[in-house]
Amino acid sequence: NAGVTQTPKFRVLKTGQSMTLLCAQDMNHEYMYWYRQDPGMGLRLIHYSVGEGTTAKGEVPDGYNVSRLKKQNFLLGLESAAPSQTSVYFCASRIAGGTYEQYFGPGTRLTVT
Amino acid sequence: QQQVKQSPQSLIVQKGGISIINCAYENTAFDYFPWYQQFPGKGPALLIAIRPDVSEKKEGRFTISFNKSAKQFSLHIMDSQPGDSATYFCAASKETSGSRLTFGEGTQLTVNP
Repeated sequence: NAGVTQTPKFRVLKTGQSMTLLCAQDMNHEYMYWYRQDPGMGLRLIHYSVGEGTTAKGEVPDGYNVSRLKKQNFLLGLESAAPSQTSVYFCASRIAGGTYEQYFGPGTRLTVT
Repeated sequence: QQQVKQSPQSLIVQKGGISIINCAYENTAFDYFPWYQQFPGKGPALLIAIRPDVSEKKEGRFTISFNKSAKQFSLHIMDSQPGDSATYFCAASKETSGSRLTFGEGTQLTVNP
């Protein structure tokens, strides 16, 4: 099992450009999450999904959109990137019920200039 | 509004010493309190977790102490090793909210040989 994978690993964008980050998991998990990590602020939840076709806002959703068309994939989109979105983005997933453990991907480092 | 506050921001310990990291939370509805460990360039990984119906949980050299009345919990690392050098995050969640994790700010632990 590959676990949780994220594409791309690194990206540099200019202000106003758009991009999509892809998260894929092969563990048949129902729940998926997108976090951003900034120095001194821990990880903050952007959006999450409790099942295929459903999404919900987290703590810092502004400027981001998400889609969960397939159970194994969770896409994070930036329609018009801003320097404030420079961050490391992590995807996570977990199974419904059972333990609450979230499994994290390796992260995507995004720089917006 | 930071619902989970973590201290200290950084910690330096000698090999064999005890590392202690503290967290305080505000939301009494939280029912799951994990600690995540993150090495540079990697995603966070679950280290140990506790539910509020117990006051202590031990796994090897790692112990969580939980004080429900004070709304505080802490991570103790006994016999700290250089390989424990990493960033540690406390977090909290409640199942009814889709298990959305609220993270503390993080503690960078350095264990000197």
